Amino acid sequence: SQTIHQWPATLVQPVGSPLSLECTVEGTSNPNLYWYRQAAGRGLQLLFYSVGIGQISSEVPQNLSASRPQDRQFILSSKKLLLSDSGFYLCAWSVRPSGRMSHYEQYFGPGTRLTVT
Amino acid sequence: GDSVTQMEGPVTLSEEAFLTINCTYTATGYPSLFWYVQYPGEGLQLLLKATKADDKGSNKGFEATYRKETTSFHLEKGSVQVSDSAVYFCALKNNNNDMRFGAGTRLTVKP
Repeated sequence: SQTIHQWPATLVQPVGSPLSLECTVEGTSNPNLYWYRQAAGRGLQLLFYSVGIGQISSEVPQNLSASRPQDRQFILSSKKLLLSDSGFYLCAWSVRPSGRMSHYEQYFGPGTRLTVT
Repeated sequence: GDSVTQMEGPVTLSEEAFLTINCTYTATGYPSLFWYVQYPGEGLQLLLKATKADDKGSNKGFEATYRKETTSFHLEKGSVQVSDSAVYFCALKNNNNDMRFGAGTRLTVKP
């Protein structure tokens, strides 16, 4: 069966410090990978998605970046954190669709709660 | 663009009450529709899904029917429990395989 891991679970970082959040998926190959942010009391905002190693698409301009050094590893980074980067970060994976349409859902990791002070 | 609108929360119910959380969508083509649940401090879990019109998704006593004529996918449960307290997200996946989530509805069930 497939599992998705995220770490750390919680993180408190000062403004201006770097960030690295890691997400790994087990039990599947060639997944699509996603990073979302959930700010307090708000819905999900898609930050990045990746359809393969080294292939990253950014949905919104921001202070963050993402990388996919291996097929099942997705990393969210920042060189200098801002207060507004605080939130709950969720990694997700889905089966890579074949053909024009796919009904595959996304599966989410447990999340990382980031507090920037 | 494609979007999902769900009823604003918070929703507070007593145990064994009937639950409805409204969800409507805007999309071109034939999206797949999903309900996800997020328990406190956790990630999202898929609750149920429907991939075509008139399909009914069901799980753990929750149901939702894909209504193309009203572009809706309302979540219902006949008798809620305290353990159902969570945030519920309606979502669609469009023809481009893009997911769109609603803003989430927080449900609190009191004993």
